[in-house]
Amino acid sequence: DADVTQTPRNRITKTGKRIMLECSQTKGHDRMYWYRQDPGLGLRLIYYSFDVKDINKGEISDGYSVSRQAQAKFSLSLESAIPNQTALYFCATSDLSGKFNEQFFGPGTRLTVL
Amino acid sequence: AQSVAQPEDQVNVAEGNPLTVKCTYSVSGNPYLFWYVQYPNRGLQFLLKYITGDNLVKGSYGFEAEFNKSQTSFHLKKPSALVSDSALYFCAVRSGYNTDKLIFGTGTRLQVFP
Repeated sequence: DADVTQTPRNRITKTGKRIMLECSQTKGHDRMYWYRQDPGLGLRLIYYSFDVKDINKGEISDGYSVSRQAQAKFSLSLESAIPNQTALYFCATSDLSGKFNEQFFGPGTRLTVL
Repeated sequence: AQSVAQPEDQVNVAEGNPLTVKCTYSVSGNPYLFWYVQYPNRGLQFLLKYITGDNLVKGSYGFEAEFNKSQTSFHLKKPSALVSDSALYFCAVRSGYNTDKLIFGTGTRLQVFP
């Protein structure tokens, strides 16, 4: 969905480096999410934020941190990257106004940690 | 705990034939179920959702899904497959009441052959 953008789209880095993945949205949604996708494991939730002052851990938050700089921006950081963090990372948004609204996904960031 | 299972890693079907991608769920309370599709090098796109009401839910691109409470299933279907339907399909369930958090299945790769 073009309304949710992620940068960079691809990144190769080395073990121990600090990496930041950024997500921006123009949908005006309050809720934002970070997932990672691994083959055979589907998508797993890393962190989510229901508004600028609200940050919550997902099922696999260890080794990651996030920052919600504004309603439209939600960044994911790997403080010290390790090879098993090699994955496809997705940002998603959803609208607070509806109880059962679907999530809208960005195009993903492919991260390789050597 | 809420969960979904996609028992098939891959489904192969000839173009023009009907297709089914299977999903079963385990939830406490009412299930809120979703199907997403992921085309190569793209983020996930919402196809359809079941919240309540008719057991047959119609979605994007000619897809539909049948909710079956007794069999705890939510299979994705299309009467006539297209080669362009080839993609990775994810079933998801809302992780709890009054939340937008989703739990995803492991995904099923659909391959439609000409």
